[in-house]
Amino acid sequence: NAGVTQTPKFQVLKTGQSMTLQCAQDMNHNSMYWYRQDPGMGLRLIYYSASEGTTDKGEVPNGYNVSRLNKREFSLRLESAAPSQTSVYFCASISGDKYNEQFFGPGTRLTVL
Amino acid sequence: GEDVEQSLFLSVREGDSSVINCTYTDSSSTYLYWYKQEPGAGLQLLTYIFSNMDMKQDQRLTVLLNKKDKHLSLRIADTQTGDSAIYFCAESKTGTASKLTFGTGTRLQVTL
Repeated sequence: NAGVTQTPKFQVLKTGQSMTLQCAQDMNHNSMYWYRQDPGMGLRLIYYSASEGTTDKGEVPNGYNVSRLNKREFSLRLESAAPSQTSVYFCASISGDKYNEQFFGPGTRLTVL
Repeated sequence: GEDVEQSLFLSVREGDSSVINCTYTDSSSTYLYWYKQEPGAGLQLLTYIFSNMDMKQDQRLTVLLNKKDKHLSLRIADTQTGDSAIYFCAESKTGTASKLTFGTGTRLQVTL
């Protein structure tokens, strides 16, 4: 099992450009999540998908959209990137067992100039 | 509220014990977790504790939960240089689509 994979690993954008961050998991998990990590602020939830076909806003959804393409894939789109979106983005999926372990991808480091 | 707070930095000598602390405000939390993040990597689950437990031990790791004070701690015995990382506590509640609320993270530096 590859676990949770993310592409790309690094990306530099200019203000106003758009891009999609890809995430896939091969563990047959129902729920998937997108977080951003900023220094001194921990992880903040952007969007999540409790199951295939559903998506919901998290704590900081403004400026982002998501698509749960199928059970495996959950993508995050920045339509018009802003410098405030410079961050490290993590995708995660959850085991669904009684203690709900979250499995994280390696992250995408995004810089918006 | 769902705030989870941690101190930002801890430095210990190799071989000493490390204690990382966390406070949370939501008394309805069901599980509390400790995650480890090594440089350039995602988070990995270290251990967890159910809210009706006071203590959990797993090899060098001891988790203590004080529900009255809403205080969670992680003790690492015989700290090694490989333990240098950022440690996050997190809480979850049932009925919330398994969303986790993370603390700000504590950077543990292990010196020789």
